[in-house]
Amino acid sequence: DVKVTQSSRYLVKRTGEKVFLECVQDMDHENMFWYRQDPGLGLRLIYFSYDVKMKEKGDIPEGYSVSREKKERFSLILESASTNQTSMYLCAIQTGPYEQYFGPGTRLTVT
Amino acid sequence: GDSVTQMEGPVTLSEEAFLTINCTYTATGYPSLFWYVQYPGEGLQLLLKATKADDKGSNKGFEATYRKETTSFHLEKGSVQVSDSAVYFCALSGQGGYQKVTFGTGTKLQVIP
Repeated sequence: DVKVTQSSRYLVKRTGEKVFLECVQDMDHENMFWYRQDPGLGLRLIYFSYDVKMKEKGDIPEGYSVSREKKERFSLILESASTNQTSMYLCAIQTGPYEQYFGPGTRLTVT
Repeated sequence: GDSVTQMEGPVTLSEEAFLTINCTYTATGYPSLFWYVQYPGEGLQLLLKATKADDKGSNKGFEATYRKETTSFHLEKGSVQVSDSAVYFCALSGQGGYQKVTFGTGTKLQVIP
């Protein structure tokens, strides 16, 4: 079975802190994605990566950056956390044509 | 660009009731269509999919038919259970380029005994 793990289920950070969210897959999938999920807005794509050191901006990249140094790990970085980045963050991998498999999510609160 | 519109929730049903969650889409070409489900405290799981017009996706008693003429992919289940309580997302993936998935806003379903 595919497994996607995210470093924390719940995280509380202060405004201005640098925040790292980690996502690790146990298979050899190339495409990995970071979304944020907000009530009434559904899922919005922040960044995705199609290979090591390769990344593309999604629909809402502002205030975020990503890192993919190894194929199995895809990190989302909030350079200077703000309260409007309080959200649920979901990592996903592409497991088949057009299909994605999601991790359990990290609920981030920025105070 | 691509978009997905699904009915507002929450939807509250009694156990064994019939479920319909409406979903319509806008896309160029021939997208693949999906329903994902998110149980409380978990990530999204693929529930079913359809990759071409008139295809019917089905899983766990849920069904949805890809209707190109009405650009719709409504989710149905004949008899819901309490364990079906979750948030349901309709989604599409267009062709070409990287395989971006566009999600609807989600519909929360609550099934009461």
